[in-house]
Amino acid sequence: QKEVEQNSGPLSVPEGAIASLNCTYSDRGSQSFFWYRQYSGKSPELIMSIYSNGDKEDGRFTAQLNKASQYVSLLIRDSQPSDSATYLCAVNGENTDKLIFGTGTRLQVFP
Amino acid sequence: GAGVSQSPRYKVAKRGQDVALRCDPISGHVSLFWYQQALGQGPEFLTYFQNEAQLDKSGLPSDRFFAERPEGSVSTLKIQRTQQEDSAVYLCASSLDVGTGEAFFGQGTRLTVV
Repeated sequence: QKEVEQNSGPLSVPEGAIASLNCTYSDRGSQSFFWYRQYSGKSPELIMSIYSNGDKEDGRFTAQLNKASQYVSLLIRDSQPSDSATYLCAVNGENTDKLIFGTGTRLQVFP
Repeated sequence: GAGVSQSPRYKVAKRGQDVALRCDPISGHVSLFWYQQALGQGPEFLTYFQNEAQLDKSGLPSDRFFAERPEGSVSTLKIQRTQQEDSAVYLCASSLDVGTGEAFFGQGTRLTVV
């Protein structure tokens, strides 16, 4: 079992819809959770961080964390074609600063 | 500088050649990470520095890989006797404090071994 798992996609949603991206992790001691966006040929860009159970909203993005279920999600409201990218879930553990990444979910937003 | 800077952006090496990849983190950032990213995969952890101390090198794939950060700022990842399987994008990231985890990435170095 990989430490951080994501569906590779592609996830295709129409413009204006809500895109829902999911991630599970195996280390129960994980403390910090991140979503990165990576456009093709570019480096990962941090878009959300979440540290406690519940929801965290930033503009069109909402991160959701459920530590009991070891589950993190990212919702993108009013999806735009410019949101088309790979979304990487990253987790760091209880006693380490290193980030463990999932393989990423490719999102395609079509007009 | 404003962001993490990596050089070179692209490197083509002949099999067996040694290469050195440079990372200049955001000024003042304590933590520095190196990752390897193969096509279609997420970044894979290689090694981590806190200032000049290399605290974790568990991800280095072999003893041909070596990283240093002698003055706690610029870091170099060296790969000796490159092999074709070393072809990947090498990403450097830095973060301000220990434990915040909010890491910011450089543009990466794309290494192609021929």
